[in-house]
This record gives sequence, structure tokens and C-alpha cells, in this order.
Amino acid sequence: GAGVSQSPRYKVAKRGQDVALRCDPISGHVSLFWYQQALGQGPEFLTYFQNEAQLDKSGLPSDRFFAERPEGSVSTLKIQRTQQEDSAVYLCASSLSRDNQPQHFGDGTRLSIL
Amino acid sequence: AQKVTQAQTEISVVEKEDVTLDCVYETRDTTYYLFWYKQPPSGELVFLIRRNSFDEQNEISGRYSWNFQKSTSSFNFTITASQVVDSAVYFCALSERQAGTALIFGKGTTLSVSS
Repeated sequence: GAGVSQSPRYKVAKRGQDVALRCDPISGHVSLFWYQQALGQGPEFLTYFQNEAQLDKSGLPSDRFFAERPEGSVSTLKIQRTQQEDSAVYLCASSLSRDNQPQHFGDGTRLSIL
Repeated sequence: AQKVTQAQTEISVVEKEDVTLDCVYETRDTTYYLFWYKQPPSGELVFLIRRNSFDEQNEISGRYSWNFQKSTSSFNFTITASQVVDSAVYFCALSERQAGTALIFGKGTTLSVSS
């Protein structure tokens, strides 16, 4: 497709379960970002990849959050032992390079932890 | 530290009115980039504009215009002759060169345009 694709669109999990969120960036985009957006707030940065290298993970809120991009294309954000405060929309974005080029966002995954 | 403030939480206008969305930013970097994104009810963030700190020229794109003033650290967005389809949440964002390319977003302004 032409845009950033995220799946699933919605995810409901019970507290304590592990979840995996997928992001398929725009073809050719070397930079990939994950953001967390709480209800009524702006997105907050989680982590950044340039190709397969995770160059910045300073925004990950705890060691329960883990992201990977093994082949420099598709990325997966994994949350282990989910807690209710993990409920949010998780947004993925990609861009052509790291020189502050515009980031193009997917529709997000709305995660609800019961 | 870097920060983006969008003081207007919600704005309601009637179609054809002009509306300005305010954005004030804080940064210690001399090279930085400012962005506006639109988030319609569907949830996808749509890129509208990117400006760098060395280009203070105002920009117009159709009904949209942007006023960048370094003296007041503001990057305001005006929609002329608003339409119902403009209803969305609008986010202003900052990217500092030294901090990498993570976007720092404001809390957003919800714009409601009624017919």
C-alpha cells in the first residue's frame, strides 16, 4: 500500500497478557518511529529505528516494552505483562531519512487492557 | 527542555468563519523544525506543513496559512473560510536537531466547524 499500515486496528487484552503490535512502513522509508497517544493527549515518542538499528529507545516507559525491526522494514512493538495504564493508541510513523523529514503516520492500534 | 503549548483546547466556529490555532514552543536548539498535523476522527495523523528555524517566511496553501515568528516562539495556523471537513484535532509539533528526530507534540486543539 501507499501509506503506513498498522495491525491490528483494535486490540483488547486482559491485564497480564502479552501483546504484539505490527507496523509496515512506507516502502523505502529508512526511519521508523513508535508513539503512544493517551486519550485527549498528543502523541508521545517511544522509540526510533534507522533501518534495523534501534537508535533511540528513551521513550519506552518500562522494560515491559520492547520493539524490533529485524530486517529494516516491518516493526513489532511488544508489551509484556500488560497493565491498565498501557491502554492507549499506539502510532507508527515512517520517514525518508533522519534529517527531520516529515513523518507519515499509520491509523494506529487502539489497545485496551481490561 | 523542549515543549510545545497549544493553549486552546477546543474551538467551535460556524462554516465560512476564519479560525486561528495558536502554537507556542520552547527550545534551546538554534536549529529546529516545526510541524502541523491534522487528526480527523478516523485517527490517522495527516502531515500539513514543516518549517525549519531559518525560514520565517509565512506560507499559504489554499485556505491554510501559517505565521512563524521566532521573536515570540510562535507558529500559528489559520484556516480561512472554514468548512465542516476541517473538523479535527490539530497538533503542533517540534523536532530538535540535536535531540534526533523524535517529534514533541502539543496537546492538540479540537476544532469543530458547524454548518
